[in-house]
Amino acid sequence: GAVVSQHPSRVICKSGTSVKIECRSLDFQATTMFWYRQFPKQSLMLMATSNEGSKATYEQGVEKDKFLINHASLTLSTLTVTSAHPEDSSFYICSARGTGTEIGELFFGEGSRLTVL
Amino acid sequence: GQNIDQPTEMTATEGAIVQINCTYQTSGFNGLFWYQQHAGEAPTFLSYNVLDGLEEKGRFSSFLSRSKGYSYLLLKELQMKDSASYLCAVMDSNYQLIWGAGTKLIIKP
Repeated sequence: GAVVSQHPSRVICKSGTSVKIECRSLDFQATTMFWYRQFPKQSLMLMATSNEGSKATYEQGVEKDKFLINHASLTLSTLTVTSAHPEDSSFYICSARGTGTEIGELFFGEGSRLTVL
Repeated sequence: GQNIDQPTEMTATEGAIVQINCTYQTSGFNGLFWYQQHAGEAPTFLSYNVLDGLEEKGRFSSFLSRSKGYSYLLLKELQMKDSASYLCAVMDSNYQLIWGAGTKLIIKP
C-alpha cells in the first residue's frame, strides 16, 4: 500500500521555540494532506487541510499563525508549531490522499509526539 | 450537529468474536470507515462501506445500515494483537471525515 513518512517521531523542545514536522508521501503524489492532533485517549482532531500549491484550510479554533502549514510539493507537507508552549504537547499525525485512491482512504504517517517543557 | 457514537471500551477473550457498534448522525453521507489504532501509533485503514450490507475481509467484517445510521465492525478469532482502539468515521456531504472517539478493545487470554 501507499506509504506516508512523518518525521521526527518524537521531539522535545523548550517553551517558546518552534518545531517543524515533515510529512512525505513516498510512493504517490498527495494532492491533499491533512494534519491532526490527538490528545491521550481522545479521537483524532482535524487541524487543517492542505492542498498542494494553495493555502491550508484551518478548522475552527485552530490558530493559523501558530500552526503554519506548507504544502509546497505533491510529496511534502510541513507543520510548524511556532512559539510552542506546554499545552501544545500532543501527538500530531498527518495523512494523505492521493489521486486514484479509494475515496476516503487515507494513508497516515507514523505520527510525531511533541513534548514542550 | 454531527455526531458519531461508539462505546468507549470493550473487553473480549482471545479466540472469541466481538462486535463494535457505531451510530451516526451527519449532514449527508458518503461512506463509513473503520480504522484500527494501536497505542502510540497512527491509524490504519480497515474497511469502507457506502452501501447497505456486510463487507468481509478475512477475520474482520463491517456492516452498514444507512436507514438506521448504524454500522458495526465484527472481529472473529480474536488475537492478542487485536488489542487496539477502533475508530469509526463518516464522510459527510462535503467529503469531510467526521471521527468517532474510538473504542478501546482489550483482549484477555
